[in-house]
Amino acid sequence: DQQVKQNSPSLSVQEGRISILNCDYTNSMFDYFLWYKKYPAEGPTFLISISSIKDKNEDGRFTVFLNKSAKHLSLHIVPSQPGDSAVYFCAASGQGGSEKLVFGKGTKLTVNP
Amino acid sequence: NAGVTQTPKFQVLKTGQSMTLQCAQDMNHEYMSWYRQDPGMGLRLIHYSVGAGITDQGEVPNGYNVSRSTTEDFPLRLLSAAPSQTSVYFCASRQGSRNEQFFGPGTRLTVL
Repeated sequence: DQQVKQNSPSLSVQEGRISILNCDYTNSMFDYFLWYKKYPAEGPTFLISISSIKDKNEDGRFTVFLNKSAKHLSLHIVPSQPGDSAVYFCAASGQGGSEKLVFGKGTKLTVNP
Repeated sequence: NAGVTQTPKFQVLKTGQSMTLQCAQDMNHEYMSWYRQDPGMGLRLIHYSVGAGITDQGEVPNGYNVSRSTTEDFPLRLLSAAPSQTSVYFCASRQGSRNEQFFGPGTRLTVL
C-alpha cells in the first residue's frame, strides 16, 4: 500500500521552461512534506519543504504547492536548467515524527539544453 | 563539517555472513536514521534513533540491528545476510529543531 505516490517515473523538459513534478498521498495524518533531489551514486539532498498549514512555499527557482483537500503536492522549477537533471523524491511525515519519512518512488527529470 | 559519512561505499557478502555498516555525523544532530533503496523504489526506513541510547524500528527492520552509544555514530548491523538485503543503504541525520534530514552518500551492498 503506497502512501506516497509519484505516478510519473520520468519527465523531460527543455532548458528555460517550467518543470512540474507531482506527488499524491493517501494518509491524511501526514502534516509535513519534503522534496529531495538525488544524483546517481550520491545521497538524496534536501530541496524544499512545506507544512500542512501552508499551501505554498518558495525558494528561488523552486516552489512547492500543497492541496490538502486533493492530497496532492507539486514541485515547480522555473526556469529549468540542465543541472536540475536528477531523480526527485517526494516524502511525507506525520504524527510519528520526522524520522519516519515515507518516500515516493521518484521521478527522473531530464532537462535538455 | 564532513556532514554524514558512511563506510564502506561498496560491499559484497555471501549469504549468512554478518557485517556492520558504519555511519557518523559531525553536526551534533540528535536524530539519525537508516534507509534502504531498492531499484525503482523509494527509500524505506529501517531503524531510527532520537538520541544516544534510544532506538526504534522503522518500516523494514527485520534482519537488522542498531545501537546508538554516542551522538555521532549510528552503525547498522546485518546479522545473517540474505540476497533480499541487496540494496543501497543510506544513513541520515536531523537537527531537533528542523524537519529536513541530511543524507550520507550511501553504501551499495550485494549479497550473493
